[in-house]
Formats: sequence, structure tokens, C-alpha cells
Amino acid sequence: GAVVSQHPSRVICKSGTSVKIECRSLDFQATTMFWYRQFPKQSLMLMATSNEGSKATYEQGVEKDKFLINHASLTLSTLTVTSAHPEDSSFYICSAGTGSNEQYFGPGTRLTVT
Amino acid sequence: GENVEQHPSTLSVQEGDSAVIKCTYSDSASNYFPWYKQELGKGPQLIIDIRSNVGEKKDQRIAVTLNKTAKHFSLHITETQPEDSAVYFCAASAGYSTLTFGKGTMLLVSP
Repeated sequence: GAVVSQHPSRVICKSGTSVKIECRSLDFQATTMFWYRQFPKQSLMLMATSNEGSKATYEQGVEKDKFLINHASLTLSTLTVTSAHPEDSSFYICSAGTGSNEQYFGPGTRLTVT
Repeated sequence: GENVEQHPSTLSVQEGDSAVIKCTYSDSASNYFPWYKQELGKGPQLIIDIRSNVGEKKDQRIAVTLNKTAKHFSLHITETQPEDSAVYFCAASAGYSTLTFGKGTMLLVSP
């Protein structure tokens, strides 16, 4: 149980374009979803927290107009990186919470901006 | 806010040995302490967690201990195997707040 999927697993896009990453909880309803990014050999950095049907809460220093988060249902959240630049290249990971502290992570999406 | 320190940053052991990773936290309100295993190119996988109302929890070769007074918790892996090689992250959370992660420990188990 508690399976979270992400799509795509890898994406390469050109600078200036936008890319959308989907995060789904497959066997449970997630009251809260979280988006993280992770640089090589570093820990996870929380970008934003989203609850179904409401606006996401962004961490300090994360541009909400650049990283658009939509949490349309209890099983789906999307992250759109707008006008991507090479410095946005990273490993993006989502997690889903069940209402308590526990978070279950997706497999991650490797974004490369050329 | 919460601050989680994790040590060591790297740990090399021989197959069959035990491995111990330690974390300290700063917020006395934290009450949930999970441990995640992350393999290269994959998302973190929850391997064990402990809440503040218990001092120790065990699951086969893996155990976690918590000392609330000293604000530290540890991951113990016994009889290590090469497939245990990965990066391990500890985290802490208070109530329904977000997780604060340690910087990670790269564990290498040599055959």
C-alpha cells in the first residue's frame, strides 16, 4: 500500500519552454502533497505544500510563478516548471501525506534543461 | 524552526557488520521521526519510523531508538548486506507539520 507514482521519470526540454510533472497517489487519498527538489549528493529541499482544492504554500525563496502547482484531486498533483532554464535542471520528487505525519515518496523526475 | 543534524555523512562497513547512523533534532515539539532509504536515481523509501511515545522500534534487521531527553534518534542495521548500500535520510516532524530532513548518510557495504 501507499504507492505514489510520478510521470515522466525523465524529461529533457529546451530553455524557455515549460514542462509538467504529474504526481499520483495510487492506492490512497492524499490530503496533502509535497514537492521537493534534490541536487546531486544533497538532501531533499521542500519547495511547496499543497492541499486538494486550495492554493499551494511555497517555501521561502521558491518562485510561485515559476513553479506552478495544481492539486486538482485527492490523488493528483502537478508541478509545472515555466520558462525553464538550465539552472532548473534537478531531480524533482513528490510525496503524499495521509493526514498524519507520514509521507510516501514518488520515484522522482529527472529534469534536464538544455 | 526545526534543525536536524545527521552523522556520519559516509559510512563504510563490511558485509555482516552492523551500521549505526545518528541524528539530533532541535525542536522539542517534534514527535515523529522517520528514516528513508534512497537508492541512486530513485525516490526515498520509508524504511522505519518512530513516534515520541516509544523509545525503540524494530523491524527484522532494522531498528530505531529515540531519546527524547537528549533529542537524538538512531538507525541501527544489523547483519548488513551489499543491497543495504544507499543513502539514508533521517527526518523529524512536529504534529502535522512538514518533515525536516538531515543531510543524509551514504552507506557502503562491501562484500
